[in-house]
Amino acid sequence: DTGVSQDPRHKITKRGQNVTFRCDPISEHNRLYWYRQTLGQGPEFLTYFQNEAQLEKSRLLSDRFSAERPKGSFSTLEIQRTEQGDSAMYLCASSPNTRGLSGNTIYFGEGSWLTVV
Amino acid sequence: SQQGEEDPQALSIQEGENATMNCSYKTSINNLQWYRQNSGRGLVHLILIRSNEREKHSGRLRVTLDTSKKSSSLLITASRAADTASYFCAITGANNLFFGTGTRLTVIP
Repeated sequence: DTGVSQDPRHKITKRGQNVTFRCDPISEHNRLYWYRQTLGQGPEFLTYFQNEAQLEKSRLLSDRFSAERPKGSFSTLEIQRTEQGDSAMYLCASSPNTRGLSGNTIYFGEGSWLTVV
Repeated sequence: SQQGEEDPQALSIQEGENATMNCSYKTSINNLQWYRQNSGRGLVHLILIRSNEREKHSGRLRVTLDTSKKSSSLLITASRAADTASYFCAITGANNLFFGTGTRLTVIP
């Protein structure tokens, strides 16, 4: 399967612990996005990469959140000192276009559910 | 705000009926996209409609766009129980998509 892959699919962690999610985009997609979605809401943009460069970060991405895409392929999203309010689904997506999104589709993974207890 | 707003928030219909969901937005757009999300799953792209297009079809799906009214609609014809999901419109920004809160569609067998 060549879709966007996310791991783990589910994570339960205690408050204060660190968690890391991994995303493998569709092969040769140079754009990669992270979104967060809470129950009953639509996805909210967190950050995006073009190749290995992180070009935009939402104000939702507090200093406890860090995302990397070291070789321009897979990406990781780390949350440090987790809080209960971090409980959400973290969605990764990728797209092939290098010149912006106009006319292009973003392909989403199945998401990583985080529950902070 | 660039995000779209879907209406209604929830819709329940019988199998075989048509379902119409609406999306309104406030800014000018290059294109608008519709996504579907089954409970607890990722989003699946349905249709992209460009600002110079008025209508687009894909199987049982029909999307319209009225840029003068800043609105779009998604019509699902001859609905099936498997269409039960949340449907989101997304406004395309320069570098990401802006989603609304979605319409929760339930198709009763």
